[in-house]
Amino acid sequence: DIQMTQSPSSVSASVGDRITITCRASQGISTWLAWYQQKPGKAPKILISRASNLQGGVPSRFSGSGSGTEFTLTISSLQPEDFATYYCQQAYSLPFTFGGGTKVETK
Amino acid sequence: EEQLVESGGGLVAPGESLRLSCAVSGFPFDKVWLSWVRQTPEKGLEWVGRIKSQTDGGTTDYAAPVKGRFFISRDDSENTLYLQMDSLKTEDTAVYYCTKISRFGEFSDYWGQGTPVTVSS
Repeated sequence: DIQMTQSPSSVSASVGDRITITCRASQGISTWLAWYQQKPGKAPKILISRASNLQGGVPSRFSGSGSGTEFTLTISSLQPEDFATYYCQQAYSLPFTFGGGTKVETK
Repeated sequence: EEQLVESGGGLVAPGESLRLSCAVSGFPFDKVWLSWVRQTPEKGLEWVGRIKSQTDGGTTDYAAPVKGRFFISRDDSENTLYLQMDSLKTEDTAVYYCTKISRFGEFSDYWGQGTPVTVSS
């Protein structure tokens, strides 16, 4: 199975901050990577697919980059509604594994 | 409006069975691929398995921990996805989500609200 490792596991930030979350795959996955946002008590919501394709309706302050084994999710200017947990997922090979999550908390 | 609504979760004893349902609306159901994903505080998000559309063969794939115990099926006439869970173990305790798989890769672009399953004696 491909292991997905996210870092950091949590980040404390303020509104307006730029934050970057990293996801590393244990083997190359080209750009078959998605990012999801999850708020407490809710289902995950897809933000980005194919490493950098912003889903419809997702604010442009979110961006994704990377290929192969290293990927990043960047929020350019954190907004109050962005405090949540973020997960990466590889869709390169079965089983489609998720990272452990990064919780974005208020500083 | 696109919607997935799970039902059927609950408390069961180890070794027992449970069937989850997921009612899907707002999509051409017979054309979509669907999956089940579960979540626990300890293990996070875990892909359980998926079923292709009948047009694409209707085949299923499963994660190793559930293979041979869990079975995914679909009723295209009822726009419903199922997860039959047999020989349940305590480690199957989780919130179970059904998801629609994107046309552009095996990403989950729509999720249900989740249904909790607790396996305990």
